[in-house]
Amino acid sequence: GEEVAQTPKHLVRGEGQKAKLYCAPIKGHSYVFWYQQVLKNEFKFLISFQNENVFDETGMPKERFSAKCLPNSPCSLEIQATKLEDSAVYFCASSRGQGPLLEQYFGPGTRLTVT
Amino acid sequence: QKEVEQNSGPLSVPEGAIASLNCTYSDRGSQSFFWYRQYSGKSPELIMFIYSNGDKEDGRFTAQLNKASQYVSLLIRDSQPSDSATYLCAYSKSSGDKLTFGTGTRLAVRP
Repeated sequence: GEEVAQTPKHLVRGEGQKAKLYCAPIKGHSYVFWYQQVLKNEFKFLISFQNENVFDETGMPKERFSAKCLPNSPCSLEIQATKLEDSAVYFCASSRGQGPLLEQYFGPGTRLTVT
Repeated sequence: QKEVEQNSGPLSVPEGAIASLNCTYSDRGSQSFFWYRQYSGKSPELIMFIYSNGDKEDGRFTAQLNKASQYVSLLIRDSQPSDSATYLCAYSKSSGDKLTFGTGTRLAVRP
């Protein structure tokens, strides 16, 4: 598609429950990024993929967070055993990632509330 | 020192004026610079990107980059109330690299 799609829009989980978020990048974009926005404007990078391969996972809290991008499926970000501090908006972005075309386009986000 | 520094604002300008938003960065390996606009409760929207020193104009927006001074700015001419939003400065270092964001400058355009 022409836009990054993210589902669901909102997700409410009790502490300790699992949360799974989905992202479909713009068609033709080979890079997918996940960011977490907490407090008003603090963006934290989590992980990126080049096609189905992990490109950079330096931001991932590995104990509870995992992510995948499989062929012909939306990418996913999963949080096992959510904690209150995981409450945030999770944005997915995609990029062509070729030559000077480094621009990233963001999806509408998934607001996760952990109670 | 933060990797990307922005004045949090709010920057208040009257309608029709020029709004000037500034950003400094610490990593000299930064290659590409981006300005995103984020309305409250919405996702960041890319409005300008710049890779080379100098000015780049697109409609009412002009981005300026000075790599020697590690400084990037965004000028918004003929500001409109609809420009009221948070403006995020970000950079990436290479193809496929993550974005590193500043904390944004809140702009308020007074009718």
